[in-house]
Amino acid sequence: DAGVIQSPRHEVTEMGQEVTLRCKPISGHDYLFWYRQTMMRGLELLIYFNNNVPIDDSGMPEDRFSAKMPNASFSTLKIQPSEPRDSAVYFCASSWSEAGGELFFGEGSRLTVL
Amino acid sequence: SQQGEEDPQALSIQEGENATMNCSYKTSINNLQWYRQNSGRGLVHLILIRSNEREKHSGRLRVTLDTSKKSSSLLITASRAADTASYFCATEKIGTDKLIFGTGTRLQVFP
Repeated sequence: DAGVIQSPRHEVTEMGQEVTLRCKPISGHDYLFWYRQTMMRGLELLIYFNNNVPIDDSGMPEDRFSAKMPNASFSTLKIQPSEPRDSAVYFCASSWSEAGGELFFGEGSRLTVL
Repeated sequence: SQQGEEDPQALSIQEGENATMNCSYKTSINNLQWYRQNSGRGLVHLILIRSNEREKHSGRLRVTLDTSKKSSSLLITASRAADTASYFCATEKIGTDKLIFGTGTRLQVFP
């Protein structure tokens, strides 16, 4: 398996622009998580899905953030409009409930908002 | 908010020495996991210990868990330069499927 695939790996955009980050989880995994990593706040859980259904979005910072999982093999995290404080590395991770909780992470999408 | 705090924040040792990292958390958990992150990369799972376990081994890794003190430790024996990375503990709170990460320990192993 190719692992969790995220795109783009790097994104530089200007304040006010819409940003869409994409994730393809490992086939057969039924959980998908979005995390954000910054030096100041560390790794923060934004939202997670189980069987494509959002379970907990309490970590989503503002209404500017939204996430979808239209099917088992694809998820998006959208920021609209983006702000400089959104600059971070965004990680997607997936897991299989039967495996006991181990997360498999993608390589991350590094977002810079100017 | 973060569930776990790691100690120390940074650790520098020579190859061959042992490295010990500690993690404290706040609430009752299902399990505690340790992850490694190389610079610029995603996190990689190392080991999982369940709340009813006290110690677990995997290769050069040894993890302990003390639920009464809400703390865990990760020991890396006979460290290598390739062990240089950040190490994070993560806890799965009882009643949830969420994995919350600690602040991490940056380990530098000098050849």
